[in-house]
This record gives sequence, structure tokens and C-alpha cells, in this order.
Amino acid sequence: QQQVKQSPQSLIVQKGGISIINCAYENTAFDYFPWYQQFPGKGPALLIAIRPDVSEKKEGRFTISFNKSAKQFSLHIMDSQPGDSATYFCAAKGSNYQLIWGAGTKLIIKP
Amino acid sequence: DAGITQSPRHKVTETGTPVTLRCHQTENHRYMYWYRQDPGHGLRLIHYSYGVKDTDKGEVSDGYSVSRSKTEDFLLTLESATSSQTSVYFCAISESIQVYNEQFFGPGTRLTVL
Repeated sequence: QQQVKQSPQSLIVQKGGISIINCAYENTAFDYFPWYQQFPGKGPALLIAIRPDVSEKKEGRFTISFNKSAKQFSLHIMDSQPGDSATYFCAAKGSNYQLIWGAGTKLIIKP
Repeated sequence: DAGITQSPRHKVTETGTPVTLRCHQTENHRYMYWYRQDPGHGLRLIHYSYGVKDTDKGEVSDGYSVSRSKTEDFLLTLESATSSQTSVYFCAISESIQVYNEQFFGPGTRLTVL
């Protein structure tokens, strides 16, 4: 119940295309769902986050879609650019305040 | 990296030796965390601290201990390193442990146990 399952493990998208990364969870006590972006040799950095009382949040080219009934959430990157090439992690936070992380998705944007 | 440094950045050690990793912050944040990152597992919480001398276990705490004698420093110790502890270790900080609070990460320490 404490797991967050992330897919795909890796993703190649053409420049200008839409990148989509999906996450699923079981624990309905999770109440905060952030996405972190990590470049090689760096620590993760918060990209965008959502609460379960909204179905979508958009910040620039990045959008989180949240489906509470299906217990799924996804990250959409519109007009993907080579600079978006990174590893993306979804996470969830529950009542014990600890973040539970997905396994990560390595995204490559081809020029 | 939000005023967080980790030392050393790289370390190679042998099985059975003690290892201490240091995290230092200049942000005066109350909460500090140690994670390990392994392929296929994402990040897993080892220990965290909610104040000086106040620490608690995370998901994968076995074989690790921590200490926090000052707000700015959080030490992670492997008492007797094993090959399964080969990993990249990240320190993180946050102002609050409340639900919507962002964690800021250091640059990581790559540890290899031979």
C-alpha cells in the first residue's frame, strides 16, 4: 500500500512532441503528489505538485493530471525540448509525512 | 542546490569499514533527510531529523545511524559497510514537514563498497 508505481522506465520523444509519464498508487491516505526532475550528477528538484482536490495543474509546458477514483496521476510535458531530457520521479506523501517515490523515468528528447 | 553541501562527493571503501557521510546546510531549515538512490527503486528514505538531536527511522534504516548535533549538520554513518550499501546518497532539507512543503536536495555522494 505504500508503493508508487511509475511507468514507463524510459521514454524517447521527438522534439516538439508530448511526453507522458504515469504513476499509480494504492494508499488513499496520500494527499500530496509532487513530481521531481533530476539531471545527471545533480539532486532531484521539485518540478510541479498537485493536491487530490484538483484534477489538473498546469505550469508552463508541464501539466499534472490527477484521477482520484483511479488512483493515478500523470505528468505531461508539452512541446518537449532537448533541455527536458532528465529523469523524472513521481512521489506521494501520506499521513506520516514521508515521501514515497516512484522508480523514475529516464526521458530523452531527440532533436 | 539551495545551500546544501555533501561530503565526500565520492568514496570507495571496503566491506566492514565504517563510513560517515556529512550533509551541511546554510538555510537554517529544521528538517533534514538522508535518502539512497538505486536503479529501479527511486529514492528511499533512510533516516530523517526534525531538530537537533531529534531523529527517526525511514523505510530502509537497517545498517545506518544518524546524528544531528547542530542545526546545519546531519551525519549518516554506516557502522560496517556492506556491498549492498553501494549507492548514491542524497541529503535533503525542508522548512516544514507539512504536507505541501518542498524538499531541497544536495548534490549527492556516490559510495562504492568493495
